[in-house]
Amino acid sequence: GNSVTQMEGPVTLSEEAFLTINCTYTATGYPSLFWYVQYPGEGLQLLLKATKADDKGSNKGFEATYRKETTSFHLEKGSVQVSDSAVYFCALSAMDTGRRALTFGSGTRLQVQP
Amino acid sequence: NAGVMQNPRHLVRRRGQEARLRCSPMKGHSHVYWYRQLPEEGLKFMVYLQKENIIDESGMPKERFSAEFPKEGPSILRIQQVVRGDSAAYFCASSLGTATQETQYFGPGTRLLVL
Repeated sequence: GNSVTQMEGPVTLSEEAFLTINCTYTATGYPSLFWYVQYPGEGLQLLLKATKADDKGSNKGFEATYRKETTSFHLEKGSVQVSDSAVYFCALSAMDTGRRALTFGSGTRLQVQP
Repeated sequence: NAGVMQNPRHLVRRRGQEARLRCSPMKGHSHVYWYRQLPEEGLKFMVYLQKENIIDESGMPKERFSAEFPKEGPSILRIQQVVRGDSAAYFCASSLGTATQETQYFGPGTRLLVL
């Protein structure tokens, strides 16, 4: 079946530090890949996505590249801010196999200190 | 354009009572998904519905849980005879449902507490 593995948190960084959150996946076919962010007490917000190999998703300074050869979709940001503190979820959907449900990783909590 | 709406935001039930969670998808979206998030865990898929049809319920517990998405009105997730293990955040998502617009947009969630 499909699965997503994320690095465990919490990740604690100082403001303006470089961020990497690793995400690898297992799926049949050619899934679409997503990063969602969840702020305390809120729902999930789509951060970025990529639908095919070598696509790069980007938004608000965050980037992730769909690497089929390594089955990875690592999230990066060059300079984090305190306001980026949240839980980040990597997810995939396998629409090409007819399955629309998202499969999520367990989430990585990011704490940015001033 | 209003986002996905869920109500109530918080729901407290005693063991054995029923819980009804409602979800109104984004305007123009015809596909609805329900996910459950246990404390400190990721989201787990429960059920996927289109208007008047359940498409995929592979993540739904076999007993006590049911979902519907009627022709008119919101989607409803119903939990009968709740137990403490049902305490979780329940999120609804919606999508356009076309082949190229598969992105799911999430509501704020309903946090269910079973006493």
